[in-house]
Amino acid sequence: DTGVSQNPRHKITKRGQNVTFRCDPISEHNRLYWYRQTLGQGPEFLTYFQNEAQLEKSRLLSDRFSAERPKGSFSTLEIQRTEQGDSAMYLCASSLGDTVRETQYFGPGTRLLVL
Amino acid sequence: RKEVEQDPGPFNVPEGATVAFNCTYSNSASQSFFWYRQDCRKEPKLLMSVYSSGNEDGRFTAQLNRASQYISLLIRDSKLSDSATYLCVVNPTGGFKTIFGAGTRLFVKA
Repeated sequence: DTGVSQNPRHKITKRGQNVTFRCDPISEHNRLYWYRQTLGQGPEFLTYFQNEAQLEKSRLLSDRFSAERPKGSFSTLEIQRTEQGDSAMYLCASSLGDTVRETQYFGPGTRLLVL
Repeated sequence: RKEVEQDPGPFNVPEGATVAFNCTYSNSASQSFFWYRQDCRKEPKLLMSVYSSGNEDGRFTAQLNRASQYISLLIRDSKLSDSATYLCVVNPTGGFKTIFGAGTRLFVKA
């Protein structure tokens, strides 16, 4: 399977714990995006990378959230001191190219439940 | 006002019907527009990009109205397999941040 993969697919944690998600983009895709989606809403932009550089971060993203993309390949999204409001589907997408018209290919997501 | 707004629906239509969705956006400087499709509990997938001159892909037609700041999606001859949530996507700033609408749910009935 050469699509975007995300791990774990499901995560249940207790409030206050830290969690880390991983995204493996399509090979050689230079752009990688993180989104959060809650029930009945569209994906909400969190951040994106061009290669290893994090170029934009949503103002909605609190300091408890951090993302990295070392070496411009896979990416991790960490949430520190989780809160119940963090419960959502976290989606990763990747794209290839230099313009805004490239298709974003989404992974299956990581569903987070904070108890 | 939300940056991208869609009628949440749901739209319930019989097979063979024609259905249209609209999406409005607030930033007049927005440069790129897309429609994505999302099946229940699945990831979004690109349906089609929306070009200034309008574009068609089989039974699907997308149009952009910059003056009124909306895009539309027309589905002709609806199939059961068209049942999904249709997400309007806008690139508002010319960077790579993309804004998704909340989606419009479509149910096509036999």
